[in-house]
Amino acid sequence: KQEVTQIPAALSVPEGENLVLNCSFTDSAIYNLQWFRQDPGKGLTSLLLIQSSQREQTSGRLNASLDKSSGRSTLYIAASQPGDSATYLCAVHSGGGADGLTFGKGTHLIIQP
Amino acid sequence: DTEVTQTPKHLVMGMTNKKSLKCEQHMGHRAMYWYKQKAKKPPELMFVYSYEKLSINESVPSRFSPECPNSSLLNLHLHALQPEDSALYLCASSQEGRGLGEQYFGPGTRLTVT
Repeated sequence: KQEVTQIPAALSVPEGENLVLNCSFTDSAIYNLQWFRQDPGKGLTSLLLIQSSQREQTSGRLNASLDKSSGRSTLYIAASQPGDSATYLCAVHSGGGADGLTFGKGTHLIIQP
Repeated sequence: DTEVTQTPKHLVMGMTNKKSLKCEQHMGHRAMYWYKQKAKKPPELMFVYSYEKLSINESVPSRFSPECPNSSLLNLHLHALQPEDSALYLCASSQEGRGLGEQYFGPGTRLTVT
């Protein structure tokens, strides 16, 4: 059974810092990996999707990398802003008939003004 | 348009009630999903519809009954729920159901069972 772990569970940094969120998964047989942000009480906003054949994806100040063989992904946020404060979730889409996403528990990020 | 809509936004129901949650997308996606998210927990997969057929059921209790009337609509019928079923119910869709597409989520329905 696929398990997804996110480190750290919580992070608080001053505005302007660059930061890295980590995600690891136990079964490397994945179709893709997706990073989301979730604001309190809200739905999920997709940030980046990395297919299993890709190494990284970039969108604005966000860069996500994938090392499928080692079961790791990182989300890099450059020049953090208070509006980046949210919970960041990593999710993998595995094969073997499991067609849904398996999520990590998330990293709760606070950017201090 | 990458929007998935869900109604209602909030729902309070008693344990003897019957209610339904509705989800709609107009992106031409052929896979739709229901997830359940308890407070301070990650979403957990409940159901997947691929090409309007139920392709997986993650051992969800029968008091939850999904329905996919057409490729744009997904319903979740609720009956005889328990207080522990109170959660945020999220709907998502993707271009197809075999993991190649990005999943887009709706804003969720906040369900409270009294």
